[in-house]
Amino acid sequence: DADVTQTPRNRITKTGKRIMLECSQTKGHDRMYWYRQDPGLGLRLIYYSFDVKDINKGEISDGYSVSRQAQAKFSLSLESAIPNQTALYFCATSDRTRGNEQFFGPGTRLTVL
Amino acid sequence: DQQVKQNSPSLSVQEGRISILNCDYTNSMFDYFLWYKKYPAEGPTFLISISSIKDKNEDGRFTVFLNKSAKHLSLHIVPSQPGDSAVYFCAARPRDSNYQLIWGAGTKLIIKP
Repeated sequence: DADVTQTPRNRITKTGKRIMLECSQTKGHDRMYWYRQDPGLGLRLIYYSFDVKDINKGEISDGYSVSRQAQAKFSLSLESAIPNQTALYFCATSDRTRGNEQFFGPGTRLTVL
Repeated sequence: DQQVKQNSPSLSVQEGRISILNCDYTNSMFDYFLWYKKYPAEGPTFLISISSIKDKNEDGRFTVFLNKSAKHLSLHIVPSQPGDSAVYFCAARPRDSNYQLIWGAGTKLIIKP
């Protein structure tokens, strides 16, 4: 079984719709991250969380919100999706003692029409 | 303005030969560098890393070289195998951060039989 899972794996939605991407992990890590990847660009950090009560904005948080429901769950919401949010989204985890190495989920491909 | 640059979008190498993937950075405050490997429909997976206090780190077929004066690092794969065909990302950690990674856009490595 995968250590970091993401649902859904693919999603097509329309402009203005609210959408939630979910991430779960069984690694027992305290830190969780949401990234997006666009063609020709590296991964960019949207939000990160060091524990359930510690949530922080990343490089490109506008238009997104997150919820850390439990240590193992971290969800990303697009309150009103727009076409330039079409991208590949990755969830990642890391352990505080080895923060440099992050473990990634398989990704969610989101298309906003 | 990309702080971590992988200028070659793709690279094709004969099986058994050496693959050299390059990464340049602009921020002298980076103190840790990582290489990740990504297969289609999967998330990136950690491959190898190097601290800025070193100039070389080796793990089996994989060696990373760091040239701080040139702000350049490279990943050598010897010998290249078909399973090495993937996208390789370079990432760098700023000195004052224990979580943030700045990512390059990736290089697609194709190993020819």
